[in-house]
Amino acid sequence: EVQLVQSGAEVKKPGESLKISCKGSGYKFTNYWIGWVRQMPGKGLEWMGIIYPGGSDTKYSPSFQGQVTISSDKSINTAYLQWSSLKASDTAMYYCVRSIPHDYWGQGTLVTVSS
Amino acid sequence: EIVLTQSPGTLSLSPGERATLSCRASQSVSTTYLAWYQQKPGQAPRLLIYGASNRATGIPDRFSGSGSGTDFTLTISRLEPEDFAVYYCQQCDTSPPYTFGQGTKLEIK
Repeated sequence: EVQLVQSGAEVKKPGESLKISCKGSGYKFTNYWIGWVRQMPGKGLEWMGIIYPGGSDTKYSPSFQGQVTISSDKSINTAYLQWSSLKASDTAMYYCVRSIPHDYWGQGTLVTVSS
Repeated sequence: EIVLTQSPGTLSLSPGERATLSCRASQSVSTTYLAWYQQKPGQAPRLLIYGASNRATGIPDRFSGSGSGTDFTLTISRLEPEDFAVYYCQQCDTSPPYTFGQGTKLEIK
């Protein structure tokens, strides 16, 4: 069974750094793109970027380029989304997704940034 | 960047009725790269339709997709109570970003 299991909810202060994770199982991790989608409270879906764990090719939406870093560690079948300096506007649910189009979704990681 | 505009923003219907949701692209999208998702409150979205008209695994046949070029449609033939949710279209054509529409909320009338 294909599963994407994300790390737990986070509460951070503005300016702090954060790295959330998404562990894939039930399939060959290096054969599928893994992406990230943001959903701000009460809002729609925003496509952030995607990585190919088999080759580390990474593509970002212009809206998120330079704001976040997407990476992966194929030895542990895990993809990451990280921030070096969080803002209150980063408060959102973040979903990892497999493939293009996105046939499997993680359960979501809620990130709350508040002073 | 391809912009997807969904209409209507909210659709109020009764169980048993037919729902027609629209997704219009700012430039032509290959049918291969147009998908629809359903999101229920408190849940992650799930893939309904890919390639504009192909149902994803486990999706009931009351859901169908159609369209080409810049105009795409998701149709639910006979609404069941569990179909009331928010629906998003997405294009995965050419290079990223693989943008989503703003969503259509399907609510019980």
